[in-house]
Amino acid sequence: QSALTQPRSVSGSPGQSVSIACTGTGSDVGGYKFVSWYQQHPGKAPQLMIYDVSKRPSGVPDRFSGSKSANTASLTISGLQAEDEADYYCCSYGGINTFIFGGGTKVTVL
Amino acid sequence: EVHLLESGGGLVQPGGSLRLSCAASGFNFGSYAMSWVRQAPGKGLEWVSAISGYGLIFYADSVRGRFTISRDNSRNTLYLQMNSLSDEDMAVYYCAKVSEDASAGMGPHFDYWGQGTLVNVSS
Repeated sequence: QSALTQPRSVSGSPGQSVSIACTGTGSDVGGYKFVSWYQQHPGKAPQLMIYDVSKRPSGVPDRFSGSKSANTASLTISGLQAEDEADYYCCSYGGINTFIFGGGTKVTVL
Repeated sequence: EVHLLESGGGLVQPGGSLRLSCAASGFNFGSYAMSWVRQAPGKGLEWVSAISGYGLIFYADSVRGRFTISRDNSRNTLYLQMNSLSDEDMAVYYCAKVSEDASAGMGPHFDYWGQGTLVNVSS
């Protein structure tokens, strides 16, 4: 299974909104409501930000939101803050207890 | 507090073997699936393998037949036996707790991660 497709980078000024698209197929993103998003700062372990397409774990700011349409999921960061600068990875359940990650998107706060 | 601590990484020659461990604490280990996810230097995340609480096992195509995942619920420890290693296996290996509740409609996702252990494959 091929990695999900994400843009290599996105950027925005503090306070702006940015969105990251994650495109898969009907066998992964489009076939299940099980897309999750992870934030990774340099040298650190990934951290769960969104699960089940749009649900936020406790402790994750509500400026992070997720959605999905057909084979494409999206993560939106509203009110961008300096600490949001990081790499972001989408992940989809791929059936039969397998998972597929996206290639990652670097978010830069200008 | 959930805590995952990987160990066992290091330098290994191509064709060699290595066994990773992940010590878990802060949750009922035997009740949760666990997974290994790796990240090659400067690259993205790649799912490697998963094991359910009762031992059902799943692998990515890239490691099937070479890697073996296992767990010891009495020791709260997850393992990954890696054989026939190549430079394509060089990566930081993370263990991750899989959270899922089918009865509540919650799908599988990785809610806690360890800090990772580096596997360096080089001659």
